[in-house]
Amino acid sequence: EIVLTQSPATLSLSPGERATLSCRASQSVSSSLGWYQQKPGQAPRLLIYDASNRTTGTAARFTGSGSGTDFTLTISSLEPEDFAVYYCQQRSSWPRTFGQGTKVEVK
Amino acid sequence: EVQLLESGGGLVQPGGSLRLSCAASGFTFGRNAMSWVRQAPGKGLEWVSGVSSSGGSTHYADSVKGRFTISRDNSKNMLYLQMNSLRANDTAVYYCVRHVFCSSATCYNPNGWFDPWGQGTLVTVSS
Repeated sequence: EIVLTQSPATLSLSPGERATLSCRASQSVSSSLGWYQQKPGQAPRLLIYDASNRTTGTAARFTGSGSGTDFTLTISSLEPEDFAVYYCQQRSSWPRTFGQGTKVEVK
Repeated sequence: EVQLLESGGGLVQPGGSLRLSCAASGFTFGRNAMSWVRQAPGKGLEWVSGVSSSGGSTHYADSVKGRFTISRDNSKNMLYLQMNSLRANDTAVYYCVRHVFCSSATCYNPNGWFDPWGQGTLVTVSS
């Protein structure tokens, strides 16, 4: 099973600041990594797939990068609606696994 | 608009059974692989099971293998999860998800990303 480790667990930032979230895989997943956003009381939403592709409706301030074992989700300038929990997920092998999440909170 | 609506959750005793349902609409259900993903209260996400568009191929997390069975009825646009021998650590919100952006041009096999997600149904296993 591929283990995904996200860091930091919590990121305390102010609106307008840049957020950098990390996801590290226990073995290479090539570019088979995605990012999801979950707000309180809501289901998760797919933001980024195949490491760097935004879904329709994902704002341009969200950028995914990386390959192999190290991946990054960057939010260039935080908007109020971006404060949420972010999960990475791999689809390289079975079982599909998620990271434990990074909470982006208001400082 | 693509919609996934789960039902069937509730309170069940340890060792009991429950069947979850997911009603799909807004897309050609029979052409998409589907999965179930769960989230224990206050915890992260765990993929549970996936099924191909035809229902002929299934995958399970080790934590549920032999106890849960995923199935689908393409004539009714329905996805199911039969859960037997339930344990306290199966307590979670269970989400129905569609596979998209799969490895091939079509999502017949469950190798895509999860989008969208239903609103979830809560399963509580407790005596």
